[in-house]
Amino acid sequence: GENVEQHPSTLSVQEGDSAVIKCTYSDSASNYFPWYKQELGKGPQLIIDIRSNVGEKKDQRIAVTLNKTAKHFSLHITETQPEDSAVYFCAGSGNKLTFGGGTRVLVKP
Amino acid sequence: DAGVIQSPRHEVTEMGQEVTLRCKPISGHNSLFWYRQTMMRGLELLIYFNNNVPIDDSGMPEDRFSAKMPNASFSTLKIQPSEPRDSAVYFCASSSSGTGFNEQFFGPGTRLTVL
Repeated sequence: GENVEQHPSTLSVQEGDSAVIKCTYSDSASNYFPWYKQELGKGPQLIIDIRSNVGEKKDQRIAVTLNKTAKHFSLHITETQPEDSAVYFCAGSGNKLTFGGGTRVLVKP
Repeated sequence: DAGVIQSPRHEVTEMGQEVTLRCKPISGHNSLFWYRQTMMRGLELLIYFNNNVPIDDSGMPEDRFSAKMPNASFSTLKIQPSEPRDSAVYFCASSSSGTGFNEQFFGPGTRLTVL
C-alpha cells in the first residue's frame, strides 16, 4: 500500500516568513495529493489539493508543488500569520487516502 | 449545511464496556470514512463505505471493532469490549466520491477515553 512520509514534524516561523512542508510517497499510481489543516479540537479541513496532471497549484498565500518523478510534493505558505498555526497533514491517494504524520506549525508574532 | 455530525463529542468508559460512536454524513455524500487519530500512529483509516456498502475494512484493528451504515444518513462504529489502548480521537468524514479522491469533510471527532 501507499506510504507517505512528512517532514518536518514541527516548524516554528516568524510572522511574515514562509513555511515549507515536504512529503514523499511510495505508490507511483497515486494521482491525488491533498493537504489538510487541523486546528486544536477540530477535524482536519482541506486547504488545497493537487492532481498528478499538474506540477503546481496556488491559492492566495498557499501553493503546492508536485514532482511525480521523484515522488514528492510540498506545501508552501507565504507571509505567514498567527492564524496559520495548526497541524498540517499531507496525503497520497493510492487505492485509498493515506496521511503523513503531520507537521505542527507555530507562527510567532 | 451543518457539516458532518458526530456524537458523542466525548466518551469516558471503563475497560470491558461497549462503546458506540455515531456519525451523520453530509446530505448527498455517498462515501463515509471512519478514522482514528493518536499521537503514536497519527491519522489512520479504519473503514470506508460507498453507497452504504463497506468497501475496505483492512484498517479495523481487530474483531472488537465493527462498523455499520444502515442508511445513507447514519453510521456507527462499535467497540466491544473496549480496552485502554482504544483511547483516541475518532473522526468520521464524508465525500461525494467513491474512492476518496475528492475532498473529504471531517466531523469534529469523538474523544474516547477507556479507563
